[in-house]
Amino acid sequence: GAVVSQHPSRVICKSGTSVKIECRSLDFQATTMFWYRQFPKKSLMLMATSNEGSKATYEQGVEKDKFLINHASLTLSTLTVTSAHPEDSSFYICSAREYSGLLGEKLFFGSGTQLSVL
Amino acid sequence: GQQVMQIPQYQHVQEGEDFTTYCNSSTTLSNIQWYKQRPGGHPVFLIQLVKSGEVKKQKRLTFQFGEAKKNSSLHITATQTTDVGTYFCAGPGGYQKVTFGTGTKLQVIP
Repeated sequence: GAVVSQHPSRVICKSGTSVKIECRSLDFQATTMFWYRQFPKKSLMLMATSNEGSKATYEQGVEKDKFLINHASLTLSTLTVTSAHPEDSSFYICSAREYSGLLGEKLFFGSGTQLSVL
Repeated sequence: GQQVMQIPQYQHVQEGEDFTTYCNSSTTLSNIQWYKQRPGGHPVFLIQLVKSGEVKKQKRLTFQFGEAKKNSSLHITATQTTDVGTYFCAGPGGYQKVTFGTGTKLQVIP
């Protein structure tokens, strides 16, 4: 199946610093990628939809100035957590959509990034 | 907005017992997908159901899409320790979006 690479897998940073997370689709082009946040023992909460060549679409309650998303190419989307605070500590997962026919689509997920803000 | 609920939230079963998780959407779905997330891992795509009343099998896993396309189920026959993880259903949640269910965490006792 398709592979989505996400890194770093784990990052520890000081409060006030910015952290960039990369998400790459390795063997297919993804015009749309998604960024999720997952709290321990919880489901995936969609943060934003990243569209290649255009602005990301953010879900209600997600600060776009804090979570900067850039989808500069068909295989790369980045999420930058700006001025991180301890409450931003979480597991962030990206996914890329692969279409396989008119009705078929799958989401392939990166391995996730565990962010810890001290 | 759309809500996708799963029950049960947690399930402990003895190895060899069967397991079922149910997914219910507040709106009709054009399709539904199932994912498995192992502890410490990321969600992995299992299957997609599209047709009303559709039933698909993958070895010991049986997936069903309801007639009204608002609910779905995943049934595992004779669970094994390798089945441990959280199972999520997911469906279209608006333009280009996928909404995930609340998940069912399965624990298998050897």
